[in-house]
Amino acid sequence: ETGVTQSPTHLIKTRGQQVTLRCSSQSGHNTVSWYQQALGQGPQFIFQYYREEENGRGNFPPRFSGLQFPNYSSELNVNALELDDSALYLCASSTKDRVGNTIYFGEGSWLTVV
Amino acid sequence: DQQVKQNSPSLSVQEGRISILNCDYTNSMFDYFLWYKKYPAEGPTFLISISSIKDKNEDGRFTVFLNKSAKHLSLHIVPSQPGDSAVYFCAALDNYGQNFVFGPGTRLSVLP
Repeated sequence: ETGVTQSPTHLIKTRGQQVTLRCSSQSGHNTVSWYQQALGQGPQFIFQYYREEENGRGNFPPRFSGLQFPNYSSELNVNALELDDSALYLCASSTKDRVGNTIYFGEGSWLTVV
Repeated sequence: DQQVKQNSPSLSVQEGRISILNCDYTNSMFDYFLWYKKYPAEGPTFLISISSIKDKNEDGRFTVFLNKSAKHLSLHIVPSQPGDSAVYFCAALDNYGQNFVFGPGTRLSVLP
């Protein structure tokens, strides 16, 4: 039990649709990062939010966007879904001066695009 | 181009024996590394870390070794237990100290 909760756990969308994934961070953590884990691969960094501002971004197109709210929870939005967006989406919460053992991952949201 | 590589997609080990999981990286600027363990239907959980100022870090049954000149690290699990069966990810903190670059993972199966 990490204290990081993600919703929904599984969902199926059609190509071209839009999706919103949600993450509630561990209490006391002000930083949220999102990762995409495709089948057979390691998690790939999408972006990070710190105090409601984007604070770093990986190699993902602009149709991947996010928000962080005053309570530090976060959303990942993906527009114009493509088949290759099918993956496990992981949220990780941490404090800004994090080290590995203060980063907690949620269980992830499985997205299938058909 | 993968900056963190785990060249063995899977590994099977007998219970009680040593498990050795390997990881190579290409970016010499990486200076902090972690191992994560992931069970099916769960998020990754932190296992052990090592800073580049060390060449070894030990925590119970888990030891991580870092060879900076070879850009190689390894995770040793002794003795291996069936509950260790999971996917193990090696990760390096990126150059900006913001987020982690993960390897593709190695699936460890510990056989009773």
